[in-house]
Amino acid sequence: GENVEQHPSTLSVQEGDSAVIKCTYSDSASNYFPWYKQELGKRPQLIIDIRSNVGEKKDQRIAVTLNKTAKHFSLHITETQPEDSAVYFCAATRGSQGNLIFGKGTKLSVKP
Amino acid sequence: NAGVTQTPKFQVLKTGQSMTLQCAQDMNHNSMYWYRQDPGMGLRLIYYSASEGTTDKGEVPNGYNVSRLNKREFSLRLESAAPSQTSVYFCASSVNWDTGELFFGEGSRLTVL
Repeated sequence: GENVEQHPSTLSVQEGDSAVIKCTYSDSASNYFPWYKQELGKRPQLIIDIRSNVGEKKDQRIAVTLNKTAKHFSLHITETQPEDSAVYFCAATRGSQGNLIFGKGTKLSVKP
Repeated sequence: NAGVTQTPKFQVLKTGQSMTLQCAQDMNHNSMYWYRQDPGMGLRLIYYSASEGTTDKGEVPNGYNVSRLNKREFSLRLESAAPSQTSVYFCASSVNWDTGELFFGEGSRLTVL
């Protein structure tokens, strides 16, 4: 069935460094790819998303890139700060109009 | 504007007991969802309601039932709880089922002994 693979499962960086999280998906009809951030004990919240007709999207220190041919997309966080420490989830639609399938998450730790 | 509110926040059940998780949203969203979150497993969809009056199974529906009571409210029922249903449950809503951002509730931590 359709699935979303996310790597790495844990990531530790120094404050100020960049962090990259990668996801691959199996359904070539997927057309919407959001990223959610979940701080410890909190609810997941959308931080950025991209649709299949766009290759890259930026929002301040956060960017997402999409390679539809290879069926992978990535989250890039530059100039990381301690408050970026959280679990990040990628997701992709099941088909072109289906529900989201989530990756298993990446725990990012930013060390001061 | 409270967003998505779910109750209870914590619950401990014994195997075989039943319970209902309640969820309400005040954003006039059409679609509502129930997810479960287990360590290392991400978020898995249990059931969803694309619009008032409809409900559909997600990835892991076994052992659960849902009711879309009205546009605002979507409840999740465990008829006979099992230890495998120990999890954190999140309700979410979106404007429509195939568009954009999911807004999550704060979560309900359920332990089945």
